[in-house]
Formats: sequence, C-alpha cells, structure tokens
Amino acid sequence: GESVGLHLPTLSVQEGDNSIINCAYSNSASDYFIWYKQESGKGPQFIIDIRSNMDKRQGQRVTVLLNKTVKHLSLQIAATQPGDSAVYFCAETPWAGNTGKLIFGQGTTLQVKP
Amino acid sequence: KAGVTQTPRYLIKTRGQQVTLSCSPISGHRSVSWYQQTPGQGLQFLFEYFSETQRNKGNFPGRFSGRQFSNSRSEMNVSTLELGDSALYLCASSTGGQGGSPLHFGNGTRLTVT
Repeated sequence: GESVGLHLPTLSVQEGDNSIINCAYSNSASDYFIWYKQESGKGPQFIIDIRSNMDKRQGQRVTVLLNKTVKHLSLQIAATQPGDSAVYFCAETPWAGNTGKLIFGQGTTLQVKP
Repeated sequence: KAGVTQTPRYLIKTRGQQVTLSCSPISGHRSVSWYQQTPGQGLQFLFEYFSETQRNKGNFPGRFSGRQFSNSRSEMNVSTLELGDSALYLCASSTGGQGGSPLHFGNGTRLTVT
C-alpha cells in the first residue's frame, strides 16, 4: 500500500526566544536518552544526552530535562537562532546505553522566525 | 577528527537488483550501526556491529545484511530490492562503551528504487 508520511509536530518561535521541545518516551526501562538535530540533507547531529540517574543536564544554550515519573523528556534551547531551524529527535535505549540500538521519536520541526 | 563518512551519497537502482553501501566510522570508534529513515516510518534500527560481530539486529527481513571489517569500516547490503526499500540509509558510529556513548551519524546514502 501507499505509505503515509509522518505528521511531525511543528514548533514556531521568534528569533531570540527560548524554545522547548517535548518528547514522551515509551519504555520505562530506558536509562539513556539523547537529543538529535537533523537539518535538511544531513544526518542527525548529536546535541546532548542524559542518563536516567539525572534529572537535568546543561550544554551550550541547551538544557535537557528528564521526568521519569511521567516518562517525559524535554529540550530547551535558549535564545533560539535561525540556525536552530531543523527537525529534532529524541532517542532512548533501555540497554544501558552500551549499544547502537536506539528507539527514535517521530521528531519535531522547529521553525525560527527572524 | 573526521566524521562518519558514507558512500555513495546517492544511488538509483532497479527492483530486483542488489546494492552495497559503505560506512567509515570516526577514528577509534568500534561500534557501527545502520538505520533506515523514511517519511512513513521515521528512523528505524537495522543492525549494529561491534568488533566485527553483529551485536544487535532490528526487525528487517534477511535481504538486509551487513558486515564490519577489522578497521571498523562497515558495509550494508540489500538484495532483491523492492520499491519500499527507497529510503535514506544512515550509518552511525560510537565507542560502544558501557554506560552510554552517543551515536554520531553520517549524512546518509539516499537510495531510490525504481
């Protein structure tokens, strides 16, 4: 049959504002989580990761929050720039992170308005 | 350090043919994973190789196979191509160590089956 494209949620923000991208993960046994950014024509680019023994981790302009109680992950981008426009994926693994087998979310498209 | 390199960048094949894709991981990375990305299914795990051994396998038919060489370079083969195999094939490498090591992706091979 004909495949149907995934309808990616879209987040549209003004340049300079903060962005929050959310992800609900599926497996309560997952213990390692990663955020990726994918620009058109490129492969996913690693942004930040977090292990299940942490609630928060900060990088350069990015913060990841993990709420294991409700199986929720979020990526906060401070002072969003036009170069941040891309599709963002969360990924999880319940295999202690020592594997290349990740389960990816469907992705969120971030649009930054100048 | 050079990133993950995938060749070729684009491929056009006919149904029934076979294809081989190549991946050179980041220097020092021993784990190589392959993913298929389509608009309909998103990013799906194919398999992972670590030290020349297949460590994990996704839910794809046996027409999809791979191997890893002693220098960690990897190849992926798809036999008897079907129209539904048209996709972006992504290779990712990591150290493969315990406790979580993020995957670093190449820019993919775009396969079109006609």
